[in-house]
Amino acid sequence: AQSVTQLDSQVPVFEEAPVELRCNYSSSVSVYLFWYVQYPNQGLQLLLKYLSGSTLVKGINGFEAEFNKSQTSFHLRKPSVHISDTAEYFCAVTRLNQGGKLIFGQGTELSVKP
Amino acid sequence: NAGVTQTPKFRILKIGQSMTLQCAQDMNHNYMYWYRQDPGMGLKLIYYSVGAGITDKGEVPNGYNVSRSTTEDFPLRLELAAPSQTSVYFCASSYRHTDYGYTFGSGTRLTVV
Repeated sequence: AQSVTQLDSQVPVFEEAPVELRCNYSSSVSVYLFWYVQYPNQGLQLLLKYLSGSTLVKGINGFEAEFNKSQTSFHLRKPSVHISDTAEYFCAVTRLNQGGKLIFGQGTELSVKP
Repeated sequence: NAGVTQTPKFRILKIGQSMTLQCAQDMNHNYMYWYRQDPGMGLKLIYYSVGAGITDKGEVPNGYNVSRSTTEDFPLRLELAAPSQTSVYFCASSYRHTDYGYTFGSGTRLTVV
């Protein structure tokens, strides 16, 4: 069975500092990986996805993630965060022939302080 | 372009009552999903549908039912509400499963007392 572990439940960071949100997955077969962002009292929005090809994936709002098959990780990074990046971030995984069903991690609350 | 519309946004139910959470999308998406979100638990899949007339259970289906009579609508029914069903419910849709990009609704916050 697939699972996703987000290693940090909360990440406080100062504005303009770099940030990394960590995500590990478990699966014995090829996977597709996603990061979603949820702003307060809103639904989730897709930040980026890895389906195949280059292991470095660029998304919206300056975020990027790197797929590392040997370490079964898909960490999200941003070189310089803004106050407006304060939100909850979810890593998710699925694989082919799963009807598009995503398995989500527990979420990481990113808090950007001035 | 409304995307995915969920109603109501908030609801308080008494134990044992029933209700239907509505979800509609106007993007002609075949795939639709219901998730519940609990603090520190991420999102758990309740039910999903790959097209009109086809539904299947997800990870946490007990206490819920769904139907998919049209491409646009995917209502979630709660029968005999219990406090354990207090949660935020999200509906999502996608055009093709290979896209894997969900469009989410804004959620329904349900409290069972």
